[in-house]
Amino acid sequence: GQQVMQIPQYQHVQEGEDFTTYCNSSTTLSNIQWYKQRPGGHPVFLIQLVKSGEVKKQKRLTFQFGEAKKNSSLHITATQTTDVGTYFCAFPESKLTFGTGTRLQVTL
Amino acid sequence: DAGVIQSPRHEVTEMGQEVTLRCKPISGHDYLFWYRQTMMRGLELLIYFNNNVPIDDSGMPEDRFSAKMPNASFSTLKIQPSEPRDSAVYFCASSGRDSISSYNEQFFGPGTRLTVL
Repeated sequence: GQQVMQIPQYQHVQEGEDFTTYCNSSTTLSNIQWYKQRPGGHPVFLIQLVKSGEVKKQKRLTFQFGEAKKNSSLHITATQTTDVGTYFCAFPESKLTFGTGTRLQVTL
Repeated sequence: DAGVIQSPRHEVTEMGQEVTLRCKPISGHDYLFWYRQTMMRGLELLIYFNNNVPIDDSGMPEDRFSAKMPNASFSTLKIQPSEPRDSAVYFCASSGRDSISSYNEQFFGPGTRLTVL
């Protein structure tokens, strides 16, 4: 099956700093989704990217799908403590498969 | 809509006991998914149903695990007998997409935290 690496596994930033997590696939993806899971919570859908080179924004969050549709990134500008959690990419194979996640810690 | 409902929220049991986890998907959703989440293995898909029919159970760890969906509004995940290594958070999710060629977003329930002593 497809192998999707999500990096970094963990990042600790100070409030106001930027944050980026990456999802890299060994094969071309038809689309990719991003989810956020707060500590003690459940994954919540953020966005889906379908087109090559697609860029979508949600307030301080910017999502990109690579031109070759093999990688994707989530960038948060000026992090806030409310951004704390684990961010997962997810992609359809025969079923929806989740990446390993990036845990973000934000301190004041 | 109340969202995906799972019960119980927490379960503590002893090794060898039978455990049944329950899920009520969002009304009208065609797909139902069971996931397991642990620190070591992350979020794993165990099984999913489409229109109440199991489609892919390749993620089910072993024969001790079974899942059913007797109707569109209810599913169970059963572990018999339970073992300490089954301790995890089990999530149920549902999706409204009727084509697996492009998944729609999944709505997750709050999860059941299972501890097997």
